[in-house]
Amino acid sequence: QSVLTQPPSASGTPGQRVTISCSGSSSNIGSHNVNWYQQLPGTAPKLLIYSNNQRPSGVPDRFSGSKSGTSASLAISGLQSEDEADFYCATWDGSLSAWVFGGGTKLTVL
Amino acid sequence: EVQLVESGGGLVQPGGSLRLGCAASGFTFSTYWMTWVRQAPGKGLEWVASIRQAGSEENYVDSVKGRFIISRDNAKNSLYLQMNSLRAEDTAVYYCASGSQMDFWGQGTPVTVSS
Repeated sequence: QSVLTQPPSASGTPGQRVTISCSGSSSNIGSHNVNWYQQLPGTAPKLLIYSNNQRPSGVPDRFSGSKSGTSASLAISGLQSEDEADFYCATWDGSLSAWVFGGGTKLTVL
Repeated sequence: EVQLVESGGGLVQPGGSLRLGCAASGFTFSTYWMTWVRQAPGKGLEWVASIRQAGSEENYVDSVKGRFIISRDNAKNSLYLQMNSLRAEDTAVYYCASGSQMDFWGQGTPVTVSS
């Protein structure tokens, strides 16, 4: 059971907008920044969003992040087939003194 | 270009030990937090341990405390994970990642704990 809760799956058709949620508590999301990681099939994870809504260099602006209270969201607009991947949220948990990840969301492009 | 190359994974019996390494290049290694993250077969990501730039602070997930030791050699641009008293549930691909946000990741090294 992950400390951060994500839906196990999400889907959309090409061109659609999809959002993935990440729910936590006051000791993690409520008081620390959230990162999002993308893991394409058979590859290592890659930082997609950091500090709630910042994109590293090279990440398309189709990807955006937001945070409100103890929840965060990743939005993907203009969905493309190559976006099929597993997505993970992560943040520091002050009570556990540990980084915590969500269980991951598998995105399928129909 | 940032590169992180893990090594040292393999098959080990329960109760055994293994030392993982991560060779870093393309950035000033000594100025970055470094982290180990693992992924069990078919499962999600689990943070294992992190170490501060000069090695003065280490943090571990509860399940590995007292068994794993994270260390670094800034002169060799290398990160290590000494894993002792290994258990079947430690079976996973182990990734090293650089930066306080886990900005860049290596390709991982597989560890299998089985008799």
